[in-house]
Amino acid sequence: AQSVAQPEDQVNVAEGNPLTVKCTYSVSGNPYLFWYVQYPNRGLQFLLKYITGDNLVKGSYGFEAEFNKSQTSFHLKKPSALVSDSALYFCAVRAVMDSNYQLIWGAGTKLIIKP
Amino acid sequence: DAGVTQSPTHLIKTRGQQVTLRCSPKSGHDTVSWYQQALGQGPQFIFQYYEEEERQRGNFPDRFSGHQFPNYSSELNVNALLLGDSALYLCASSLRDRGFSETQYFGPGTRLLVL
Repeated sequence: AQSVAQPEDQVNVAEGNPLTVKCTYSVSGNPYLFWYVQYPNRGLQFLLKYITGDNLVKGSYGFEAEFNKSQTSFHLKKPSALVSDSALYFCAVRAVMDSNYQLIWGAGTKLIIKP
Repeated sequence: DAGVTQSPTHLIKTRGQQVTLRCSPKSGHDTVSWYQQALGQGPQFIFQYYEEEERQRGNFPDRFSGHQFPNYSSELNVNALLLGDSALYLCASSLRDRGFSETQYFGPGTRLLVL
């Protein structure tokens, strides 16, 4: 079955430290991978995507993600966390099911940055 | 430049009723996707509209239907509401998106409560 997993419900990081939010996937064919962030009472916002090309993708707000085909992972990273990075982060992957494209989403990881 | 707008923001219905949710895409966008996000979960793809036709569909029953108008705005209709339909319904727009390769811009959502 095609799926996305975010193994951590919550990640706690001290302000100024590097952060990593993990994502692994299982899809047929070449994956299209996305990271979105959801702030309280606000819509989902796009951070970055991998379609093809360099495995290291740079996105909004200083975030980056590394596509690792052998480990089927697409972890989100930031060198130095800010308190304002605290939010809910979602990984998503494009899949083909019954000749339909779909975007499959992980359950989300709550990121808490402590001052 | 107006972003994605959705109406209404909140809605309360009873089991068996029908509901219509509305979405106006970001200016210049022509593709609209709908998602259901249950509490504490990631979004689930319902369907995607382009050129007034349903182009992609997720694993949702026929009770969920939609429409796209010539001005690219869209409606989501749910018939015979069940308690399990209670969720946040998200609309996202993108430009000429044939297979979820483009960045999606999300609206704030409509929160539906079915009693």
